[in-house]
Amino acid sequence: QLQLQESGPGLVKPSETLSLACTVSGDSITNTYYWGWIRQPPGKGLEWIGSIYNSGSTTYNPSLKSRVTISIDMSKNQFSLRLRSVTAADTAVYYCARNVSVNLSSTKYNWFDPWGQGSLVTVSS
Amino acid sequence: DIQMTQSPSSLSASVGDRVTITCRASQSISNYLNWYQQRPGKAPKFLIYTASSLQSGVPSRFSGSGSGTEFTLTISSLQPEDFGTYYCQQSYSTPWTFGQGTKVEIK
Repeated sequence: QLQLQESGPGLVKPSETLSLACTVSGDSITNTYYWGWIRQPPGKGLEWIGSIYNSGSTTYNPSLKSRVTISIDMSKNQFSLRLRSVTAADTAVYYCARNVSVNLSSTKYNWFDPWGQGSLVTVSS
Repeated sequence: DIQMTQSPSSLSASVGDRVTITCRASQSISNYLNWYQQRPGKAPKFLIYTASSLQSGVPSRFSGSGSGTEFTLTISSLQPEDFGTYYCQQSYSTPWTFGQGTKVEIK
């Protein structure tokens, strides 16, 4: 059974870089094509941050693109998120998830399943 | 970006009630619509894809419908474990976007 687990600091200072890793267990990260990051500010809705293909190619939300890097480490069966120059507005629970991308009736569909349990990152001095 | 708007924002219903949640897209997204359930303090759980296809293991009381700009998630007979917040998500074009959520409470 595929499982994902986020890890990283729970507290980051303003202007610094938020770094999180997502460890995949139950399958090789190379066997599924896409992996994604989604965040949720406290009490608010969900925001897609970006996704990475197992080849390393990435797609980012334009609202965060200038500050985000998502990378993949196949030797550790992990993928990672780096968000630069953080502010209090970046305080959120950060989720990693498998970004399923399948062809159905010659059309490509995407969804997120499963998700990690989430990692709360607070930006504060 | 495609904006997703859900209604109502919250609802309270009794066990056994039929519950319907609406999701509207700011432009046509065909059937590129997914639904998730999030219980308090937990990660979202994937329920429905292509607007109406039930993910394996999801109870059959959940169903989805719609195409274009208007979609619905229906719980045919609300159960105590169905409390939580439900989100729609479009996968028609990036950036993938979510609705603001509909909180379902059990009376």
